[in-house]
Order: sequence, then structure tokens, then C-alpha cells
Amino acid sequence: DIVMTQSPETLVVSLGERATISCRSSQNLLSSSNEKNYLAWYQKKPGQPPKLLFYWASTRESGVPDRFRGSGSGTDFTLTISSLQAEDVAIYYCQQYYSSPQTFGQGTKVEI
Amino acid sequence: QVQLVQSGPEVKRPGASVTLSCKASGYIFTTYAIHWLRQAPGQRLEWMGWINTGNGDTKYSQKFQGKVTISRDMYANTAYLELTSLTSEDTAVYYCTRGGDRFAYWGQGALVTVSS
Repeated sequence: DIVMTQSPETLVVSLGERATISCRSSQNLLSSSNEKNYLAWYQKKPGQPPKLLFYWASTRESGVPDRFRGSGSGTDFTLTISSLQAEDVAIYYCQQYYSSPQTFGQGTKVEI
Repeated sequence: QVQLVQSGPEVKRPGASVTLSCKASGYIFTTYAIHWLRQAPGQRLEWMGWINTGNGDTKYSQKFQGKVTISRDMYANTAYLELTSLTSEDTAVYYCTRGGDRFAYWGQGALVTVSS
């Protein structure tokens, strides 16, 4: 199985400051056939299901504020929140869907 | 609008079985797969398996082979997840999500608590 490792586990950021979350996969997630990275990012708040933020590593899901940015390729990916808002407090997960079973990172908790 | 509505919380004894449901609306049920995932307390999300809602084909994570059965009722627009031989390690929130090129639509989750 592909192992997804996120860092840091907890991130404390001031309101309005930048938050950067890393996700590393144990195998390449870039498909040579379609040049797409099979990597998604989710935001999870207590008592709610995960909310999709990005797929194909950098394609923003409809309705996601543009202060969120997904980037990276191959085995190294980043989720950036350019100016943290109070409503961004959550746990963020990366997920690979390159191969089965799809696997998730352990999560990064973002706090203010 | 697309909605996935899951059945309610369950409390089960060790060794019992449980069946969870996921009712879809707002789209043609048979055109998208349904995946099931779970999240145990303090753990990462785990993908358990999926069902092709059109032909009923299923695929399971090796971890859950023999443990879970995913099925669907096309006429009720509903997918099911059956878990057998429950242990305390199966205590988790179980989610269904619509397949496709991304997991954009999720059920609200169903807490299964296994306790003697």
C-alpha cells in the first residue's frame, strides 16, 4: 500500500498568517499516461464528513476559497492557506487515489 | 442537489453484525460508484471498498476482505455496508461517498460503537 505522511502533525498559525502543510507519498502519484497527480486534499471538522478541497493535486473544488492552494507533483505535495481565517481551524488530510487501496495521511491539525 | 443520507448510529456487542445504509438522491444512482470509508477515534481515514452501482461489482481493501460486504438496491437508490464479527476495533464513524474522479459528496457519517 502507498503510505502517505503529513507534516507537521499540528500547526499553530495566527489569524491572517500563512499555513503550509506537507504531504509525502511513498510512491510516485504522477501518471505518465495523463500527466495528472492522483492526490486530493480534504478539510475535516468535528462531527462533519470530510470536505474536498483539491483533486488532481491542484484543481480546486467548486466553492473552495482561493486562499487555499494545492501544489506539488510526484511524491511531494503542499496545501497552503495564504491568510488563515477562524473557520479554517480543522484537520487536513491528503489522500492518494493512484492505486488501490486508496490511502490517507494521518492528518494535520490547524489551530489558531 | 446531490445528497447521501446515511442510517443512524448503532451500538453492537462484540461478535455481532451491523448493516449501514446510504441513500442517494439528486443524481442517477447507477452512474456513480459508492465507496465506503471509516475513521476510528484518533485514526486516519481508511478506504474499505466500493460498489459499481450499475452492475453490482464490488472491490474491497484487502484489510477488509471477509469482514465487509457492500451491496446496493438500484430501485431504492441505496447502498449498504455489512460488517460482521464486530470487535472493539470496529468502533468508528463510517462514511459513504460518491465515486467518480473525486470524492466530492459524502454522507453525514454513522457512528458504530462496539461494546460489551
